[in-house]
Amino acid sequence: AQTVTQSQPEMSVQEAETVTLSCTYDTSESNYYLFWYKQPPSRQMILVIRQEAYKQQNATENRFSVNFQKAAKSFSLKISDSQLGDTAMYFCASDVGNTPLVFGKGTRLSVIA
Amino acid sequence: EAQVTQNPRYLITVTGKKLTVTCSQNMNHEYMSWYRQDPGLGLRQIYYSMNVEVTDKGDVPEGYKVSRKEKRNFPLILESPSPNQTSLYFCASSLFWTSRYNEQFFGPGTRLTVL
Repeated sequence: AQTVTQSQPEMSVQEAETVTLSCTYDTSESNYYLFWYKQPPSRQMILVIRQEAYKQQNATENRFSVNFQKAAKSFSLKISDSQLGDTAMYFCASDVGNTPLVFGKGTRLSVIA
Repeated sequence: EAQVTQNPRYLITVTGKKLTVTCSQNMNHEYMSWYRQDPGLGLRQIYYSMNVEVTDKGDVPEGYKVSRKEKRNFPLILESPSPNQTSLYFCASSLFWTSRYNEQFFGPGTRLTVL
């Protein structure tokens, strides 16, 4: 069974600084998708960024980027120039195709003014 | 506006009183699913549906039922709720049955408390 592990239950960062959230996953599949979802205090689940495993280039969406290390099965999220609105719970998730999306347990990020 | 709607958003009920949480999407998505979110456990899938009249169990289906009579609707039914079903519930949909081609769109969540 595939698993997704987020080893940091909570993190904090000063406004305008950079923070990296860790995620590791386990799958025997060669092709899959990885996702980072953001859940702000409103509880809405918002897709932040996604990465296709067969693409070597790391995905980037404005201030959000990933460091995808396929051999190490690592998929970390980097948030640059952190803003107060980035305060949220962040979930890493994997999709290997034949099974439903699997989520990690989440990392609660607090951005401090 | 493309969206997934859930009702109610908040519900407090008592043990054993049957309830239904509705979920509806207006994007003609084939795939719909229900998750529950609990502190320290992340999101866990309860049931999913790949299309009309096709449903299957997720990771934590005990105590829940679903139906998919129409493509747009996917209600979650708790026949006899118990306190351990107190949780935050999300409905989600995507165009195809995996997320790999399309992101999953989530509803706003339903906070359920069973006393």
